[in-house]
Amino acid sequence: DVKVTQSSRYLVKRTGEKVFLECVQDMDHENMFWYRQDPGLGLRLIYFSYDVKMKEKGDIPEGYSVSREKKERFSLILESASTNQTSMYLCASSLRLALLSYNEQFFGPGTRLTVL
Amino acid sequence: AQSVAQPEDQVNVAEGNPLTVKCTYSVSGNPYLFWYVQYPNRGLQFLLKYITGDNLVKGSYGFEAEFNKSQTSFHLKKPSALVSDSALYFCAVRAQPYTGGFKTIFGAGTRLFVKA
Repeated sequence: DVKVTQSSRYLVKRTGEKVFLECVQDMDHENMFWYRQDPGLGLRLIYFSYDVKMKEKGDIPEGYSVSREKKERFSLILESASTNQTSMYLCASSLRLALLSYNEQFFGPGTRLTVL
Repeated sequence: AQSVAQPEDQVNVAEGNPLTVKCTYSVSGNPYLFWYVQYPNRGLQFLLKYITGDNLVKGSYGFEAEFNKSQTSFHLKKPSALVSDSALYFCAVRAQPYTGGFKTIFGAGTRLFVKA
């Protein structure tokens, strides 16, 4: 089974702190994604990566950055946390067989981040 | 614009009754459609997907979904609901390649309550 793990289930930070969320997958997937999940808004894509050191902005990249130095690890960074970044953060990965890939995504358990 | 709509925030059904969770979409070109389920305090799990071919797709846990091109819908169904089916359900559509990668658009989610 594919396993996607996230470094923390719950995290509490203060406004202005730099926050690192780590995600690791063990199935050699090329694609990795960071989403945030908010009630009534579904999942919104923050960033994704289709290869090591490659990244693309999603729909809501402002206030976030990412790092992918190794294929299995994709990190989300909040440079200066703000209260409006309080949310559930979900990491996902998928295979990339072709440009028009229709492979499903595999999700981690999520990190519930609270910024005070 | 490419989008996914789940018109019901919540669906209530009695155990043993059939259930339907609705989804409509709007994309350019041929859609790749997905259903995911999220149990409490868990990440999303893949249920089923439509790529091409038979309009009725069968997935995990006895769920199925019907693709209707003329109505641009992909409703999730189950003939007999279980209390354990109570969860948050997300419909998603794979849009055309997005700046060298590919993007999945998620609906806002529908909460299913199955009463014993």
